[in-house]
Parts: sequence; structure tokens; C-alpha cells
Amino acid sequence: AQSVTQPDIHITVSEGASLELRCNYSYGATPYLFWYVQSPGQGLQLLLKYFSGDTLVQGIKGFEAEFKRSQSSFNLRKPSVHWSDAAEYFCAVTGANNLFFGTGTRLTVIP
Amino acid sequence: EAGVAQSPRYKIIEKRQSVAFWCNPISGHATLYWYQQILGQGPKLLIQFQNNGVVDDSQLPKDRFSAERLKGVDSTLKIQPAKLEDSAVYLCASSLGPGRAEAFFGQGTRLTVV
Repeated sequence: AQSVTQPDIHITVSEGASLELRCNYSYGATPYLFWYVQSPGQGLQLLLKYFSGDTLVQGIKGFEAEFKRSQSSFNLRKPSVHWSDAAEYFCAVTGANNLFFGTGTRLTVIP
Repeated sequence: EAGVAQSPRYKIIEKRQSVAFWCNPISGHATLYWYQQILGQGPKLLIQFQNNGVVDDSQLPKDRFSAERLKGVDSTLKIQPAKLEDSAVYLCASSLGPGRAEAFFGQGTRLTVV
């Protein structure tokens, strides 16, 4: 069965600092992996996705993520956080059909 | 391109009442999802449609929840009767197909059951 673990419930970083949000997945075959962002009162917006090929993928808003099969991880990174990045971040995995989400990491950015 | 439309945005009902949510997916998207997002949790898949057929409804509480997708386009999710624990945001999403295709989400309907 598919599952996604986001071990960090809440992360606080200073504006301008680097960011890494962790995601570990469980899936029997080759996974398709996603990161979504959700601002308060809004739906989810896709940041980036990994299907195959280069294990470092670039997304919108300066985010990137690295797929590591040996560690079953797909961590999200950003070199310099902006105050507008404060939101909830969700990692998701799918195979042939269903899209399963982790429990999310809430990011707080302090000036 | 218009996004996924959901209505209403907010709904407050008393327990044991019924409620219905509506979703209009992006034109041409064959796959439609309904998710339940309880405060502080990730979205949980309730039901997935491929055109007007159900792909997965294993997590749908079928004693009180029902969903349909008429003509493979719009979809309605109904709760009858509602319980306090149904308070959540109900998200609709659509994609060109299952799996690799990106899912686009609506803004959701926030349901409060009192």
C-alpha cells in the first residue's frame, strides 16, 4: 500500500534562510511524487513533480526536490525563503491511480 | 483556462442534517477526486471517478456519504446525516487522467457541523 510520511509537523525559519522539508514514501513500484503548497483558505497548488529521469527536479517559486530511491525520500528545498512562502506543504505519491498525501508540514517564516 | 469550481465555499449545518457539495472540473479532465481535509491533517481521498465510473471509493463512509458524477463532468458529494466529525474542508480535484497527470484543486468547501 502507498503511504507518505512527513516527519516535521511545523518548521520555523528566518527569512532568507535555507529550507528543507522532509518526505518519505512507501510504494511497491516506481512512484510518481509531488509537492503541493496550500495557503490559508486556498486549495492546493502544485510546486513540482517527479516521474522519472533526473532525480533533482525544479519547480515553481524557486523550489527544488531530490528523489532518493535508496532512502525512499523526496525532500523539498529552497535556498532562500521569502515571507510569502509561509504555508502548509504536502508531499504526495501516486502509482497507477490514487493520489495519497502526507499529513503536511506547516512553515512559519520570521522576519 | 478556468480552474476547478466548487460551491458553496462555506456551509454550517446541524448534526443529522444533510448537505451537498458541487464540483465542476476543468474541461476535458477525465479524472475527478473528492478529498476530505480535517484541520491539521493532509487530504484524505474519499472517492475517485474516471469519467462517470468509480475507480476507488474504499475510504468513503457509504452509510452516510454518496457521490455521483453525471455524464462524466460535474460531480456532487452528499452527506446524510451529518455528524460532528464530518467538519472538514472538502476538496475537489481533477486531472487529465490517473497517475502521472497533475491534479488541479478547487478552493474547497469548509463544512462546520454543530
